[in-house]
Amino acid sequence: EVQLVESGGGLVQPGRSLRLSCAASGFTFDDYAMHWVRQAPGKGLEWVSGISWNSGSIGYADSVKGRFTISRDNAKNSLYLQMNSLRAEDTALYYCAKGYNWNSATFDYWGQGTLVTVSS
Amino acid sequence: DIQMTQSPSSLSASVGDRVTITCQASQDISNYLNWYQQKPGKAPKLLIYDASNLETGVPSRFSGSGSGTDFTFTISSLQPEDIATYYCQQYDNLRVLTFGGGTKVEIK
Repeated sequence: EVQLVESGGGLVQPGRSLRLSCAASGFTFDDYAMHWVRQAPGKGLEWVSGISWNSGSIGYADSVKGRFTISRDNAKNSLYLQMNSLRAEDTALYYCAKGYNWNSATFDYWGQGTLVTVSS
Repeated sequence: DIQMTQSPSSLSASVGDRVTITCQASQDISNYLNWYQQKPGKAPKLLIYDASNLETGVPSRFSGSGSGTDFTFTISSLQPEDIATYYCQQYDNLRVLTFGGGTKVEIK
């Protein structure tokens, strides 16, 4: 059974940093692209960042480019999101999502999310 | 950037009704279009991929069609468990992708 478990969320002040993690199990992690998708309270879905199976292809939404860094450790079956210079508008539930294949932007499994609140 | 215009933003229909949601892309995206269902308090779930392919295990009352810039998602006979918000999502590759604004489906 595919499982994606996010962690690392919490309350953080504007301008500070936070690192999210996603622990994956139930599939061969290094065969698949992985993504972060967020959802602000009461709002729609917003793709944040994606990374191919071998980290050779990486993408970011314009809203986080230059502030967020996605990475993965295939030996640890883990996905990360380093978030710097956080803003109030980054407040959201952050989902980890599995790609359909090694380079896919179709999300076939999602975690339950970790909540990030940026506030002073 | 490619913009996705999804409509309506909400709808109310009776059990058994046919429900249709549309998504329009600001430029040609071929068939690179997916549909997700999100129930309250839950993570989204993939229903349709590549515009018209039904994900494994998804009931056949759900379907998708379209290519280029205009896409349609249909529930052939609305069921109580279909109450959710539905999102379209376009992708060029894993570096360029956007979601539509969502359609909240309620029972009349």
